Amino acid sequence: NAGVTQTPKFRILKIGQSMTLQCTQDMNHNYMYWYRQDPGMGLKLIYYSVGAGITDKGEVPNGYNVSRSTTEDFPLRLELAAPSQTSVYFCASIGSGGEAFFGQGTRLTVV
Amino acid sequence: AQRVTQPEKLLSVFKGAPVELKCNYSYSGSPELFWYVQYSRQRLQLLLRHISRESIKGFTADLNKGETSFHLKKPFAQEEDSAMYYCALLPGAGSYQLTFGKGTKLSVIP
Repeated sequence: NAGVTQTPKFRILKIGQSMTLQCTQDMNHNYMYWYRQDPGMGLKLIYYSVGAGITDKGEVPNGYNVSRSTTEDFPLRLELAAPSQTSVYFCASIGSGGEAFFGQGTRLTVV
Repeated sequence: AQRVTQPEKLLSVFKGAPVELKCNYSYSGSPELFWYVQYSRQRLQLLLRHISRESIKGFTADLNKGETSFHLKKPFAQEEDSAMYYCALLPGAGSYQLTFGKGTKLSVIP
């Protein structure tokens, strides 16, 4: 059982470039989340989704976009990357049991 | 809006000493509270949830609704407990915005 899979694991972007962080889960979970983790700042919620076709902003959505066309996939899009978006990004999903399952993270550096 | 506060960024204890990681929350309803742990080079994973009332790896946590706290405790720290610990809140009642505290890094000194 793969759980939550994120790709890529590492990426270096130049300022102004765009990219999509991929997240897929095979547990048929309705709820999916994107967080960023900055040193000393914990996990901040970027966007979340309660099901296919439904997304909502979290605490720090500016500079990001998401879509949820299927239950399995929840990609995070960065448009016009900025140095402030240098962070570790985590995707998570929650099923009916309430426990969150996390991906391994994507370490993004914007230079 | 909900909020989770972990007042300590870093907590250092000697092996065998008791551990208490503090967590306070603010939310008007009856949320579900969790402790997640992140060991070095591993993904975040669930340690405890308040509704299960169980002890995992010797850790326990009691929800105190009066003080809006959910502190994590262990009577005797072990070196393998060194990790980042995050307290999290799930509002429930139709809201699934999972909110985390800033985390506490626990360092157990041999």
